Amino acid sequence: DIEMTQSPSTLSASVGDKVTITCRASQTIETWLAWYQQKPGKAPKLLIYKASTLHTGVPSRFSGTGSGTEFTLTISSLQPDDFATYYCRQNFNYYTFGQGTKLEIK
Amino acid sequence: QVQLQQSGPGLVKPSETLSLTCSVSGGSFSSHYWSWFRQPPGKAPEWIGYIHFNGNTNYNSSFRSRATISVDTSRNKFSLNLASVTAADTAVYYCARQNVFLDEAPLDYWGQGTSVTVSS
Repeated sequence: DIEMTQSPSTLSASVGDKVTITCRASQTIETWLAWYQQKPGKAPKLLIYKASTLHTGVPSRFSGTGSGTEFTLTISSLQPDDFATYYCRQNFNYYTFGQGTKLEIK
Repeated sequence: QVQLQQSGPGLVKPSETLSLTCSVSGGSFSSHYWSWFRQPPGKAPEWIGYIHFNGNTNYNSSFRSRATISVDTSRNKFSLNLASVTAADTAVYYCARQNVFLDEAPLDYWGQGTSVTVSS
Protein backbone atom coordinates (compact mmCIF):
# COMPACT_ATOMS: atom_id res chain seq x y z
CA ASP A 1 0.00 0.00 0.00
CA ILE A 2 1.12 3.55 -0.71
CA GLU A 3 1.54 5.63 2.45
CA MET A 4 1.05 9.39 2.44
CA THR A 5 2.78 11.50 5.07
CA GLN A 6 1.83 15.13 5.62
CA SER A 7 3.70 17.80 7.51
CA PRO A 8 3.14 19.59 9.70
CA SER A 9 0.29 17.93 11.57
CA THR A 10 -0.79 21.29 12.97
CA LEU A 11 -0.07 24.75 11.63
CA SER A 12 -0.84 28.03 13.40
CA ALA A 13 -1.10 31.09 11.19
CA SER A 14 -2.80 34.45 10.88
CA VAL A 15 -5.11 35.96 8.29
CA GLY A 16 -2.99 37.19 5.39
CA ASP A 17 -0.14 34.73 5.98
CA LYS A 18 1.26 32.50 3.27
CA VAL A 19 1.33 28.86 4.33
CA THR A 20 2.66 25.66 2.81
CA ILE A 21 1.73 22.07 3.59
CA THR A 22 3.88 19.18 2.41
CA CYS A 23 2.84 15.68 1.44
CA ARG A 24 5.24 12.83 0.78
CA ALA A 25 4.36 9.50 -0.85
CA SER A 26 6.08 6.24 0.06
CA GLN A 27 6.63 5.53 -3.65
CA THR A 28 6.20 7.47 -6.84
CA ILE A 29 2.63 8.45 -7.65
CA GLU A 30 3.49 10.65 -10.65
CA THR A 31 0.88 13.43 -10.36
CA TRP A 32 -1.99 11.32 -9.04
CA LEU A 33 -2.41 13.60 -6.07
CA ALA A 34 -5.31 15.71 -4.87
CA TRP A 35 -5.79 18.10 -1.98
CA TYR A 36 -8.96 18.41 0.07
CA GLN A 37 -10.22 20.82 2.67
CA GLN A 38 -12.45 19.55 5.45
CA LYS A 39 -14.34 21.46 8.09
CA PRO A 40 -15.87 19.86 11.20
CA GLY A 41 -18.98 17.85 10.43
CA LYS A 42 -18.61 18.31 6.68
CA ALA A 43 -17.44 16.16 3.79
CA PRO A 44 -14.04 16.80 2.24
CA LYS A 45 -14.03 19.46 -0.46
CA LEU A 46 -11.84 19.04 -3.54
CA LEU A 47 -9.36 21.88 -4.00
CA ILE A 48 -6.67 20.62 -6.38
CA TYR A 49 -6.25 17.49 -8.51
CA LYS A 50 -3.52 16.15 -10.75
CA ALA A 51 -1.14 17.75 -8.24
CA SER A 52 -1.57 21.29 -9.57
CA THR A 53 -4.95 21.72 -11.30
CA LEU A 54 -7.29 24.03 -9.43
CA HIS A 55 -10.81 22.63 -9.20
CA THR A 56 -13.68 24.74 -10.52
CA GLY A 57 -14.72 27.48 -8.11
CA VAL A 58 -11.68 27.19 -5.83
CA PRO A 59 -10.00 30.55 -5.13
CA SER A 60 -6.71 31.21 -6.89
CA ARG A 61 -4.91 31.74 -3.57
CA PHE A 62 -4.72 27.93 -3.42
CA SER A 63 -1.99 26.28 -5.49
CA GLY A 64 -0.34 22.88 -5.69
CA THR A 65 3.01 21.68 -6.96
CA GLY A 66 4.99 18.49 -7.15
CA SER A 67 5.32 15.13 -8.84
CA GLY A 68 6.75 11.74 -7.98
CA THR A 69 6.89 11.60 -4.20
CA GLU A 70 6.96 15.24 -2.99
CA PHE A 71 4.01 17.60 -3.14
CA THR A 72 3.02 20.94 -1.65
CA LEU A 73 -0.18 22.88 -1.11
CA THR A 74 0.26 26.63 -0.73
CA ILE A 75 -2.29 29.19 0.37
CA SER A 76 -0.93 32.56 -0.66
CA SER A 77 -2.91 34.81 1.68
CA LEU A 78 -4.97 33.11 4.37
CA GLN A 79 -8.61 34.11 4.67
CA PRO A 80 -10.84 33.42 7.69
CA ASP A 81 -12.69 30.70 5.77
CA ASP A 82 -9.43 28.78 5.19
CA PHE A 83 -8.97 27.56 8.76
CA ALA A 84 -9.75 23.86 8.44
CA THR A 85 -8.05 20.49 8.08
CA TYR A 86 -6.28 19.70 4.82
CA TYR A 87 -5.65 16.25 3.39
CA CYS A 88 -3.60 15.04 0.48
CA ARG A 89 -4.84 11.91 -1.26
CA GLN A 90 -3.21 9.65 -3.86
CA ASN A 91 -5.11 7.64 -6.46
CA PHE A 92 -2.14 6.17 -8.32
CA ASN A 93 -2.99 2.87 -6.67
CA TYR A 94 -6.51 2.95 -5.30
CA TYR A 95 -6.88 5.66 -2.64
CA THR A 96 -4.87 6.67 0.39
CA PHE A 97 -5.13 9.89 2.37
CA GLY A 98 -2.47 11.62 4.38
CA GLN A 99 -3.10 11.97 8.10
CA GLY A 100 -4.17 15.61 7.74
CA THR A 101 -2.88 19.07 8.61
CA LYS A 102 -5.00 21.16 10.94
CA LEU A 103 -4.66 24.84 10.10
CA GLU A 104 -5.42 26.92 13.18
CA ILE A 105 -5.75 30.61 13.86
CA LYS A 106 -2.69 31.98 15.65
CA GLN B 1 -26.17 20.37 -9.88
CA VAL B 2 -24.89 16.99 -8.73
CA GLN B 3 -26.10 15.82 -5.34
CA LEU B 4 -25.33 12.68 -3.39
CA GLN B 5 -27.85 11.93 -0.65
CA GLN B 6 -27.00 9.24 1.88
CA SER B 7 -29.47 7.19 3.90
CA GLY B 8 -29.21 4.43 6.44
CA PRO B 9 -29.21 3.74 10.18
CA GLY B 10 -26.89 5.50 12.57
CA LEU B 11 -26.76 2.63 15.03
CA VAL B 12 -25.82 -0.97 14.24
CA LYS B 13 -25.38 -3.84 16.67
CA PRO B 14 -22.10 -5.77 16.83
CA SER B 15 -21.91 -8.75 14.43
CA GLU B 16 -24.71 -7.34 12.28
CA THR B 17 -24.51 -5.80 8.80
CA LEU B 18 -24.16 -2.08 8.21
CA SER B 19 -26.22 -0.98 5.19
CA LEU B 20 -26.05 2.45 3.59
CA THR B 21 -27.42 3.85 0.34
CA CYS B 22 -26.33 6.83 -1.74
CA SER B 23 -28.85 8.39 -4.14
CA VAL B 24 -27.38 10.41 -6.99
CA SER B 25 -29.13 13.26 -8.77
CA GLY B 26 -27.77 15.43 -11.55
CA GLY B 27 -24.89 14.59 -13.86
CA SER B 28 -24.28 11.29 -15.61
CA PHE B 29 -24.68 8.31 -13.29
CA SER B 30 -23.55 5.87 -15.97
CA SER B 31 -20.18 7.49 -16.69
CA HIS B 32 -18.48 7.72 -13.35
CA TYR B 33 -17.18 5.50 -10.57
CA TRP B 34 -18.90 5.65 -7.21
CA SER B 35 -17.02 5.13 -3.98
CA TRP B 36 -17.54 4.59 -0.29
CA PHE B 37 -15.20 5.96 2.35
CA ARG B 38 -15.27 6.08 6.10
CA GLN B 39 -13.64 8.40 8.59
CA PRO B 40 -13.15 7.37 12.21
CA PRO B 41 -13.26 10.23 14.73
CA GLY B 42 -10.15 12.41 14.44
CA LYS B 43 -8.65 10.37 11.61
CA ALA B 44 -8.24 10.62 7.86
CA PRO B 45 -10.79 9.18 5.44
CA GLU B 46 -10.28 5.55 4.44
CA TRP B 47 -11.36 4.11 1.10
CA ILE B 48 -13.65 1.07 1.27
CA GLY B 49 -14.34 0.40 -2.40
CA TYR B 50 -15.96 1.61 -5.60
CA ILE B 51 -18.42 0.48 -8.23
CA HIS B 52 -19.14 1.44 -11.81
CA PHE B 53 -22.52 1.65 -13.50
CA ASN B 54 -21.69 -1.61 -15.29
CA GLY B 55 -21.30 -3.37 -11.95
CA ASN B 56 -17.52 -3.62 -11.87
CA THR B 57 -16.23 -3.26 -8.32
CA ASN B 58 -12.94 -2.89 -6.53
CA TYR B 59 -12.29 -3.01 -2.81
CA ASN B 60 -9.67 -2.02 -0.31
CA SER B 61 -8.04 -5.29 0.68
CA SER B 62 -8.77 -4.42 4.33
CA PHE B 63 -12.50 -4.68 3.62
CA ARG B 64 -12.69 -7.18 0.76
CA SER B 65 -14.01 -10.03 2.87
CA ARG B 66 -16.75 -7.97 4.56
CA ALA B 67 -17.78 -5.20 2.16
CA THR B 68 -20.21 -5.46 -0.74
CA ILE B 69 -21.02 -2.52 -2.97
CA SER B 70 -23.95 -2.78 -5.34
CA VAL B 71 -25.66 -0.48 -7.82
CA ASP B 72 -29.29 0.09 -8.76
CA THR B 73 -29.04 1.58 -12.23
CA SER B 74 -32.79 2.13 -12.56
CA ARG B 75 -32.83 4.42 -9.52
CA ASN B 76 -29.35 6.00 -9.75
CA LYS B 77 -28.37 4.57 -6.38
CA PHE B 78 -25.49 2.57 -5.01
CA SER B 79 -25.19 0.83 -1.68
CA LEU B 80 -22.69 -0.43 0.84
CA ASN B 81 -23.10 -3.50 3.01
CA LEU B 82 -20.43 -4.11 5.63
CA ALA B 83 -20.85 -7.42 7.41
CA SER B 84 -19.90 -8.56 10.91
CA VAL B 85 -19.33 -5.09 12.28
CA THR B 86 -17.49 -4.36 15.50
CA ALA B 87 -16.89 -1.20 17.51
CA ALA B 88 -13.88 -0.52 15.26
CA ASP B 89 -16.31 0.15 12.41
CA THR B 90 -17.73 3.17 14.21
CA ALA B 91 -17.11 6.11 11.88
CA VAL B 92 -18.67 8.66 9.58
CA TYR B 93 -19.34 6.98 6.24
CA TYR B 94 -19.29 8.95 2.98
CA CYS B 95 -20.20 8.20 -0.59
CA ALA B 96 -18.38 10.07 -3.35
CA ARG B 97 -18.15 10.42 -7.12
CA GLN B 98 -14.95 9.74 -9.03
CA ASN B 99 -15.21 12.10 -11.99
CA VAL B 100 -13.83 10.34 -15.05
CA PHE B 101 -14.13 13.52 -17.14
CA LEU B 102 -11.39 15.22 -15.13
CA ASP B 103 -7.71 14.31 -15.43
CA GLU B 104 -6.84 11.54 -12.99
CA ALA B 105 -10.51 11.22 -12.02
CA PRO B 106 -10.64 13.01 -8.66
CA LEU B 107 -13.41 12.64 -6.10
CA ASP B 108 -15.37 15.82 -6.74
CA TYR B 109 -18.78 15.31 -5.14
CA TRP B 110 -19.46 13.79 -1.74
CA GLY B 111 -22.50 12.79 0.24
CA GLN B 112 -23.33 14.55 3.48
CA GLY B 113 -21.93 11.74 5.61
CA THR B 114 -23.65 9.24 7.90
CA SER B 115 -22.39 8.84 11.43
CA VAL B 116 -22.57 5.14 12.28
CA THR B 117 -22.08 3.81 15.79
CA VAL B 118 -21.64 0.11 16.43
CA SER B 119 -23.02 -0.67 19.85
CA SER B 120 -25.43 -3.06 21.51
